[in-house]
Amino acid sequence: QVQLVQSGSELKEPGASVKVSCKASGYIFSNFAMNWVRQAPGQGLEWMGWINTNTGNPTYAQGFTGRFVFSSDRSVSTAYLQISSLKAEDTAVYYCAREREGYWGQGTLVTVTS
Amino acid sequence: QAVVTQEPSLTVSPGGTVTLTCGSSTGAVTSGHYPYWFQQKPGQAPRTLIYDTSNRQSWTPARFSGSRLGGKAALTLSGAQPEDEAEYYCLLSYNGAWVFGGGTKLTVL
Repeated sequence: QVQLVQSGSELKEPGASVKVSCKASGYIFSNFAMNWVRQAPGQGLEWMGWINTNTGNPTYAQGFTGRFVFSSDRSVSTAYLQISSLKAEDTAVYYCAREREGYWGQGTLVTVTS
Repeated sequence: QAVVTQEPSLTVSPGGTVTLTCGSSTGAVTSGHYPYWFQQKPGQAPRTLIYDTSNRQSWTPARFSGSRLGGKAALTLSGAQPEDEAEYYCLLSYNGAWVFGGGTKLTVL
């Protein structure tokens, strides 16, 4: 069965970086794009963009350029989200979500606080 | 950027039927928007109920159905159960760019 398993919660100081992983299993990783979605505390879902897991080519939504980097490694069937120069407003749960049937990871809480 | 609109809140009686809708600021919702519906309960990840307008996921109860209705995507819940109380989000794809609706808080009361 398809599973997306994300890395654990992170607590970071402002200005630091974080890398969230999303390990896929149960399907051929490079056959499906992976999306990233942010949910700030008490807020709705916000699409951050997606990565072509076959070519590694990322596409970023408005508001997610510059400090946000999507990458993927086909050899370990894993997609990554890296956020640099963290700000308090980056505090959120970050989800990976596969295209087509819409499988979701369990989410990774990133908390940015001094 | 397109805006996707949902009812902010709806209430349904146990055993009753309710329809949630999902509209697009760009015009009618079509099959090319590949409408999705997600259910999210507090503290949990979203769970896909419907994809590509009307396809249920393997775990989606048969009481949930998806369709297009009057230029919008629609999620109909027939025979609401207490455990269906949740936030429901729709998503439309605009040439690969996802746009989420603001969510509908569904109360079963």
